Amino acid sequence: SAVISQKPSRDICQRGTSLTIQCQVDSQVTMMFWYRQQPGQSLTLIATANQGSEATYESGFVIDKFPISRPNLTFSTLTVSNMSPEDSSIYLCSVGTGNNYGYTFGSGTRLTVV
Amino acid sequence: GESVGLHLPTLSVQEGDNSIINCAYSNSASDYFIWYKQESGKGPQFIIDIRSNMDKRQGQRVTVLLNKTVKHLSLQIAATQPGDSAVYFCAENTNAGGTSYGKLTFGQGTILTVHP
Repeated sequence: SAVISQKPSRDICQRGTSLTIQCQVDSQVTMMFWYRQQPGQSLTLIATANQGSEATYESGFVIDKFPISRPNLTFSTLTVSNMSPEDSSIYLCSVGTGNNYGYTFGSGTRLTVV
Repeated sequence: GESVGLHLPTLSVQEGDNSIINCAYSNSASDYFIWYKQESGKGPQFIIDIRSNMDKRQGQRVTVLLNKTVKHLSLQIAATQPGDSAVYFCAENTNAGGTSYGKLTFGQGTILTVHP
């Protein structure tokens, strides 16, 4: 399975600022996804990062708040913009194959907004 | 749909016992299911998966059972060990028309604690 490197692993940010999270995969993958995990809760899909086109966002998430880049088949970034304490969460990158087998997750970025 | 919970269910077992973790999924059209293990400070780790055309699948020390009639999924861990202590999530994928690969909807999770 693919190996995912996510950076940074954690950060403490001031409200009103933005943070860009990087996701690097060791092989080319068709699909990359960004999830949010709020404290003590389950994972929620933010968006699907499509190579060569704009990301597809889930209900409740918008591009202005969570802009995503996908410049190639091994890399994606998620930016959390104009942060507030409510954005404090773990943000996770995930990749999958086209055959629905075993989606792999990065180790996550633990974000605290103060 | 989104599945969240403020208070995760907990399961406490003794080392060596068998553990059963349950999950009720939401979409009768879901055709692929995964169980994940998440340890503190780490991302979810794939344990086992099952397609909707199966009702049981076995791995090493783990078995997943799928009951589509009642939309229920369970994970059985045999001879549970302290290293199995973690949060366990079920996830479902509804691959409508082949356009939804990877879009997982997660269950609320269960905290498993294994006592030596």
